[in-house]
Amino acid sequence: DIQLTQSPSFLSASVGDRVTITCRASQGISSYLAWYQQKPGKAPKLLIYAASTLQSGVPSRFSGSGSGTEFTLTISSLQPEDFATYYCQQLNSYPGTFGQGTKLEIK
Amino acid sequence: EVQLVESGGGLVQPGGSLRLSCAASGFTVSSNYMSWVRQAPGKGLEWVSVIYSGGSTYYADSVKGRFTISRHNSKNTLYLQMNSLRAEDTAVYYCARETGGNSLDYWGQGTLVTVSS
Repeated sequence: DIQLTQSPSFLSASVGDRVTITCRASQGISSYLAWYQQKPGKAPKLLIYAASTLQSGVPSRFSGSGSGTEFTLTISSLQPEDFATYYCQQLNSYPGTFGQGTKLEIK
Repeated sequence: EVQLVESGGGLVQPGGSLRLSCAASGFTVSSNYMSWVRQAPGKGLEWVSVIYSGGSTYYADSVKGRFTISRHNSKNTLYLQMNSLRAEDTAVYYCARETGGNSLDYWGQGTLVTVSS
């Protein structure tokens, strides 16, 4: 099974900051990686798919990059509504897997 | 408008069974890959199962042999039959549509399953 490891697990930042979250896969998954945002009590929301493609309606301050085993999610200028938990996920092969999550908190 | 609405969650004793439903609108379940994902209280997301448009199914090791994913085409509904439930199956269960980009673009609101005596 493919394992996904996110770092950091917790991130404290301020409005306007640029932040980057990393997701490493235990084996190559080409570009089959997605990023989700989840707020408390809500379903996850798709942000990025195919490693770098922005889902329709998602603000352009979100971007993704990477391929193979290392991927990043970058938020260029944090907005108040961006404080949430972020997950990476691979569906390149089953069982599908999620990273353990990165909780982004207000400094 | 695409919408997914889960139902069927509740309190069940260890060893019991429950069937979750996910009613879809705005698209055809049988033409898409459909997944179940769960989230234990205060924990991260865990992929559970997928059914392909062609009918093939896959499961997480943690539920294999106990859970069965299926669909009813005329009702446009996805199901998850859960048997031999354990305390560690306690979670909010989400259904979601998988896109061609190997991601989950639409999610339901979730239904809570609690396994406890």
